[in-house]
Amino acid sequence: GNSVTQMEGPVTLSEEAFLTINCTYTATGYPSLFWYVQYPGEGLQLLLKATKADDKGSNKGFEATYRKETTSFHLEKGSVQVSDSAVYFCALSVMRFGAGTRLTVKP
Amino acid sequence: EAGVTQSPTHLIKTRGQQVTLRCSPISGHTSVYWYQQALGLGLQFLLWYDEGEERNRGNFPPRFSGRQFPNYSSELNVNALELEDSALYLCASSSTGGRFSSYNEQFFGPGTRLTVL
Repeated sequence: GNSVTQMEGPVTLSEEAFLTINCTYTATGYPSLFWYVQYPGEGLQLLLKATKADDKGSNKGFEATYRKETTSFHLEKGSVQVSDSAVYFCALSVMRFGAGTRLTVKP
Repeated sequence: EAGVTQSPTHLIKTRGQQVTLRCSPISGHTSVYWYQQALGLGLQFLLWYDEGEERNRGNFPPRFSGRQFPNYSSELNVNALELEDSALYLCASSSTGGRFSSYNEQFFGPGTRLTVL
């Protein structure tokens, strides 16, 4: 069946460091892939998405590329800020969310 | 455009009681989803409603139930509350129902924090 495996963390970085959060999936067909972010005390909001192989989703300096050959959708950001501190969820569909990765960025 | 709204914001109940949580989707959205997010854990899928019908259900006991109304708003009911039901309950909506709607972008509400004592 469909599943998502996400690096669980927590991850602690210094400001301006490079971020990678790994996400791999198992799925039949050609699903859309999503990254959601949950800031402290809030609900989830969509960060970026990709709907087909080789698509790159991007938003707020974050990027993720839909890699069918490696079944991956890793989240990256070149220079994180304190305001990026949040929990990040990779999602394959409405029923398949990763476990979430808590990111803390220190000044 | 108003986002997904949920009520109440916070709720405190005791073991054995029953609770009803409410969700109003974004206007025009026909699918509503419910999730449980226990402290320190990820999202656990509870229920998916579309066009008034239950489309799918997560691995939760029958005391978790819900419904969707003709205006697409939804209720989540939890009977015989247990301590481990303490969690943030999130509702989300998406724009289209149908067979492939499980791959649609979701818009989440702020959640209802349920504490069971």
